Amino acid sequence: DVQMTQSPSSLSASVGDRVTITCRASQNIGSILNWYQHKPGKGPKLLIYAASSLQSGAPSRFSGSGYGTEFILTIDNLQPEDLATYYCQQCYSFPRTFGQGTKVEIK
Amino acid sequence: QVQLQESGPGLVKPSETLSLTCSVSGGSIRNYDWSWIRQPPGKGLEWIGNVHYSGSTNYNPSLKSRVTISVDTSKNQFSLALNSVTAADTAVYYCARQEVMYGDYETYYYYLDVWGTGTTVTVSS
Repeated sequence: DVQMTQSPSSLSASVGDRVTITCRASQNIGSILNWYQHKPGKGPKLLIYAASSLQSGAPSRFSGSGYGTEFILTIDNLQPEDLATYYCQQCYSFPRTFGQGTKVEIK
Repeated sequence: QVQLQESGPGLVKPSETLSLTCSVSGGSIRNYDWSWIRQPPGKGLEWIGNVHYSGSTNYNPSLKSRVTISVDTSKNQFSLALNSVTAADTAVYYCARQEVMYGDYETYYYYLDVWGTGTTVTVSS
């Protein structure tokens, strides 16, 4: 299985800050990497697919980068509604695997 | 706009079979793969498996001996059966649609673009 490791596991930032979350894969997965936003009581929402493609309807302050084994999700100009847990997921091979999640809190 | 809705018992006894259905509305179940994912209390997301509308499946090896995912195109639904459940199977269960984008050099970019709201299943006597 491809292991996905996210860091940090949680962070606290102020409205307007830039936030970065890192996801590392245990092997080269090219750019077959997705990011999801998960709020309590709701289903996860796709933000970024193919490492850097913004999903239709996702705010443009979200961006993704990376290739191979290291990937970054960036949130520019953090907003109160960005309070959530963020997961990366590889779809390079089976079983699909997720990172353990990064909980973003607003100061 | 495609929407997914999970349904099934919220309480299952240990050693019995957990059965859930995902109803697809606003679009056809054809031409896609459909996934089940779960989240135990206080933990992260775990991919259970998926089914193509043709019926072919992929399962997480950690659950493969206990899982069956099936599709009913006539009802626009797909289902999850997990047998011999224990308390460790207590979780919120989500269904999702897998989309694919075709890239260069025969690269296939898969992602879960539509999710249900989730249903809580508790395993307890």
